[in-house]
Parts: sequence; structure tokens; C-alpha cells
Amino acid sequence: QVQLVQSGAEVKKPGASVKVSCKASGYTFTNDYMHWVRQAPGQGLEWMGVIKLSGGTTTYAQNFQGRVTMTRDTSTSTVYMELSSLRSEDTAVYYCARVTADTYYYDYWGQGTLVTVSS
Amino acid sequence: QSALTQPRSVSGSPGQSVTISCTGTSSDVGGYNYVSWYQQHPGKAPKLMIYDVNKRPSGVPDRFSGSKSGNTASLTISGLQAEDEADYYCCSYAGNYIRVFGGGTKLTVL
Repeated sequence: QVQLVQSGAEVKKPGASVKVSCKASGYTFTNDYMHWVRQAPGQGLEWMGVIKLSGGTTTYAQNFQGRVTMTRDTSTSTVYMELSSLRSEDTAVYYCARVTADTYYYDYWGQGTLVTVSS
Repeated sequence: QSALTQPRSVSGSPGQSVTISCTGTSSDVGGYNYVSWYQQHPGKAPKLMIYDVNKRPSGVPDRFSGSKSGNTASLTISGLQAEDEADYYCCSYAGNYIRVFGGGTKLTVL
């Protein structure tokens, strides 16, 4: 069965960077797209960007341009999201979510990774 | 890439129906038949309830239905049950791999 397993919670200081991983299993990794979505405490879902797993092409939301980098390692079926220049407003749960080729919806989500930014 | 507009909250009694709206623009909701809806219980990851405006994944009760008119999509839940109480988010494709979410609607079952 398809599973997306994310790395554990992180605590970072303002100005630092964080790198969250999302390991996929149960399907052919390179057929799809992996999106990242975050949710600040008590707030809604916010789309951050997407990486095409075959080739590694990325598209980022305007709000994160210049601060986010999404990469993948096909040998381990793992996707990474790195966010730099962290500020307190980046405190949120970060989710990876799969979109299969030729579809436009998230059928599987990771369990979420809480990133806390605090001095 | 502005967020789609959803009511902050809706409520209904068990057995009743509720409808949650999701308003965007011709660049997202109105431009593509790729609106999806997600249910989120506290502390859990979102769960797909409707995709491509009105399609239901296997395992989702047929009490959940979706529709779209112009720049507004809607999720209707009929025969409300206590377990339907959750937050609901719409999401639309906006071209060039971009997605945009609604602000979320809290459904309370009275």
C-alpha cells in the first residue's frame, strides 16, 4: 500500500534552515509529482510547491520563491523540502502529498512534520 | 495566487444537509474542472473527499457530492453524521502545476 513517511519534528532558530524528508513506498516513485503543503497553528492549508519526480523539475509558490528548495533522491524514493531564512511565521506542520500523473488531486498525504521556529 | 474564499463555518443537525462554497476566479476554479475537497480532523492529515469537481474516491460515502458553477465550487454533505464534523478545504488547479487552497470551513454537527 502507498505510504508517505515524513521525518520528525524540528525546532529551529530564526534565520536557520530546515530540511524535511518524505519517504515514499508501495508504488513506482518516479511516475508522479510530490507537493508540499503547510499549515500554521489554527490556520488553513497553504500550497508551497511541487517537484516532478521524473527529472526533478520544480514549481514554487510565489510566497516561497527564493527560500524553498525541493529535491528528490530516486534511489531511496525520498523527497526533500528545504526552507531557509526561517522566521516565527514559518512555524507550521509541513505535509508532503502525492499527485499521480494525469490527475490533479492529492490521493495520499504524509503524516506531517511540525517545524517550530523560536529563539 | 490568492486563496479561494470559503465560509469560515457552517453547521447543521444530524440528518440535515449542508453546502460549503468555494469561490475563486477564472484563473483557477472557473478555468479548470480540477477542484478537489479535503476533510481534516484535528491533528490529522487531510483526506480526499471529492476530486475533479464531482467525483468521489472509493470509500467516500455518497452523502458527499460536489458541483461547480462559474467561479464557485460547492461541497454538499447530506444526511449529516456526527463524524462529519471536521474542517473542509477546497483546492483548485491554477495552471502551470500551481494549486490554490481555500481558507477552510469548520463544519459543526449540532
